[in-house]
Amino acid sequence: ETGVTQTPRHLVMGMTNKKSLKCEQHLGHNAMYWYKQSAKKPLELMFVYNFKEQTENNSVPSRFSPECPNSSHLFLHLHTLQPEDSALYLCASSRHGDSYNEQFFGPGTRLTVL
Amino acid sequence: GQQVMQIPQYQHVQEGEDFTTYCNSSTTLSNIQWYKQRPGGHPVFLIQLVKSGEVKKQKRLTFQFGEAKKNSSLHITATQTTDVGTYFCAGFNSGGSNYKLTFGKGTLLTVNP
Repeated sequence: ETGVTQTPRHLVMGMTNKKSLKCEQHLGHNAMYWYKQSAKKPLELMFVYNFKEQTENNSVPSRFSPECPNSSHLFLHLHTLQPEDSALYLCASSRHGDSYNEQFFGPGTRLTVL
Repeated sequence: GQQVMQIPQYQHVQEGEDFTTYCNSSTTLSNIQWYKQRPGGHPVFLIQLVKSGEVKKQKRLTFQFGEAKKNSSLHITATQTTDVGTYFCAGFNSGGSNYKLTFGKGTLLTVNP
């Protein structure tokens, strides 16, 4: 148990659906991240939030919309996705400060877009 | 942009054999981290290297950071079936964002008992 939970664990959606992924961290961290993990590709950083403020948007298409209401919760709102968006979406958190700290990952949401 | 290359992509060994994965960055890194992802699991942090030429050991695992801070390696001595998984290196670009961790593609290790 890493202290980072994600729901749902599996999601199947059509291209016209709207859904949301949820992440919650119980570690007292202040930075939270969304990553996309596709087969045969490196982990791709999508968004970073530090103290609820978005600090990185790694050129992610607007059909992915993040939301960070507080330092413990992170959402990824999905709409009009494409089949190539099917992947494992991982949330992570870290204690951000002066030094570089390890990231703690959640179990991920396996997304399939039909 | 920064790229982190990792080789080999796959490695299959007999239990008891050694294993090494190599990581090379196109840019100088502030530090490098290693993660392990078991099949069906999520990445789990193993270690962080910060200093040029640094070597760290965790039981049968030895991690090295190159003198130029552009490459790194992970060596496992006498592999066991519990070592199965994908090993990722990830680095922060020197002088870049200290949020943006760039991952290599990983090396998938399988161990034949």
